[in-house]
Amino acid sequence: DAKTTQPTSMDCAEGRAANLPCNHSTISGNEYVYWYRQIHSQGPQYIIHGLKNNETNEMASLIITEDRKSSTLILPHATLRDTAVYYCIVRVNYGGATNKLIFGTGTLLAVQP
Amino acid sequence: DSGVTQTPKHLITATGQRVTLRCSPRSGDLSVYWYQQSLDQGLQFLIQYYNGEERAKGNILERFSAQQFPDLHSELNLSSLELGDSALYFCASSPRTDSPLHFGNGTRLTVT
Repeated sequence: DAKTTQPTSMDCAEGRAANLPCNHSTISGNEYVYWYRQIHSQGPQYIIHGLKNNETNEMASLIITEDRKSSTLILPHATLRDTAVYYCIVRVNYGGATNKLIFGTGTLLAVQP
Repeated sequence: DSGVTQTPKHLITATGQRVTLRCSPRSGDLSVYWYQQSLDQGLQFLIQYYNGEERAKGNILERFSAQQFPDLHSELNLSSLELGDSALYFCASSPRTDSPLHFGNGTRLTVT
């Protein structure tokens, strides 16, 4: 699976959009981009994933560049409860084989009041 | 609530002992994954089972073993415990190999 690079930490003001970048320059054509977050000592929480099109759900939006070498997770209106470590992971979704996630160090997002 | 249940929430034991951690996956999920998170190592993949069979192995020590039962729940057995085994142990499940994983809230193991 391709490696990802994320900033170690970021701050965001409450109520503003949080834009979390991720570089995955060695991503393969069949690898998906996944985002998870982990609020202090809780289990990682799935947020969103995509292959090449932008995706949106009730939690966030995922913007993937046309060359797929980077992506941005957008939390439209950050709240204090969004303070967490955010992990960007790339993974092949092949049926019938393992689909384990390999976590990096992620980005600690601190939402400030 | 992810629907993945892990028991116990906390476990304190002594070095050299053996413990069993239990995971009940979300209803209908066939895959179960185990991860270890210690302060200095981050989230490390240990092992995956799919419908009762081992599917992938990560950085799992020989002192550790796991299994998935016919009702799809899974157990992670840790033996000859060392101080360094103190960590959070997470279980995750997914219905298929191309689905997102959903994690439980973990078991915090403290070895004294």
